[in-house]
Amino acid sequence: DAGVIQSPRHEVTEMGQEVTLRCKPISGHNSLFWYRQTMMRGLELLIYFNNNVPIDDSGMPEDRFSAKMPNASFSTLKIQPSEPRDSAVYFCASRTSGGGTDTQYFGPGTRLTVL
Amino acid sequence: DAKTTQPTSMDCAEGRAANLPCNHSTISGNEYVYWYRQIHSQGPQYIIHGLKNNETNEMASLIITEDRKSSTLILPHATLRDTAVYYCIPQEGNEKLTFGTGTRLTIIP
Repeated sequence: DAGVIQSPRHEVTEMGQEVTLRCKPISGHNSLFWYRQTMMRGLELLIYFNNNVPIDDSGMPEDRFSAKMPNASFSTLKIQPSEPRDSAVYFCASRTSGGGTDTQYFGPGTRLTVL
Repeated sequence: DAKTTQPTSMDCAEGRAANLPCNHSTISGNEYVYWYRQIHSQGPQYIIHGLKNNETNEMASLIITEDRKSSTLILPHATLRDTAVYYCIPQEGNEKLTFGTGTRLTIIP
C-alpha cells in the first residue's frame, strides 16, 4: 500500500496567486481530513469528508480556502488568493470509518511558502 | 472533548524504556485514548489506542489507570528514531482528532 499521497511536496508562490494542494487517500478509506501545521498554532483540522461529503469545515480559515472531494480517491485544497500567513505545512489524512474507533493515516505533507 | 496535560519535553537514554504520561481527568466514558507521534518533517503516525484495558502492540504499550484519568505510553527500548513529539488524544467514536502541544521526546545516545 502506497499510503496517503500528497502533491506537490513543496510549493513556493507569490502572494495573490492560486494554490492547489492534492491528496490521494488510501484505497478503501472513506474519510479524508485536511490539516494545517504552523509553529504558532500547531496542528489544526481544516475540514473533513465522509464518503466524499464535507462534514465539518469549521476549521477553514476564511472564504479564500476551499476543499473538494469529487470521488473517493482524490481531494483538493485550494487557496485563492494566497497570502503570506497561509505559509504552513498542509497534511492530508484518511481513515476507515465505523467500528467506533479512529485511526488516521497521514500523508507526508505539502510545505507551502507564500512570498 | 477532554482536556489533556502532557509534559512539554522529556529525555530518555537510548535502549531504556521511555514512559510518557498524560493526564485526561475529564475524559468521558466513551472516549478512547489515542497516541500519535510526529517525527520531524513527517506527518503524524498512529501508535496505539485503548479504552479501559492496557494495550500492547509492536510499537508500544499503553497503561490506563483504573479511573481512566491518566495514561502512560511506554516505548520499551527507545531508539534514536523514537525522537519525536508524542500526542495523547482522547476521542470518541468517529469524531475528529484534536491535537494539543504534545511531549517532545528526545532519545539521548
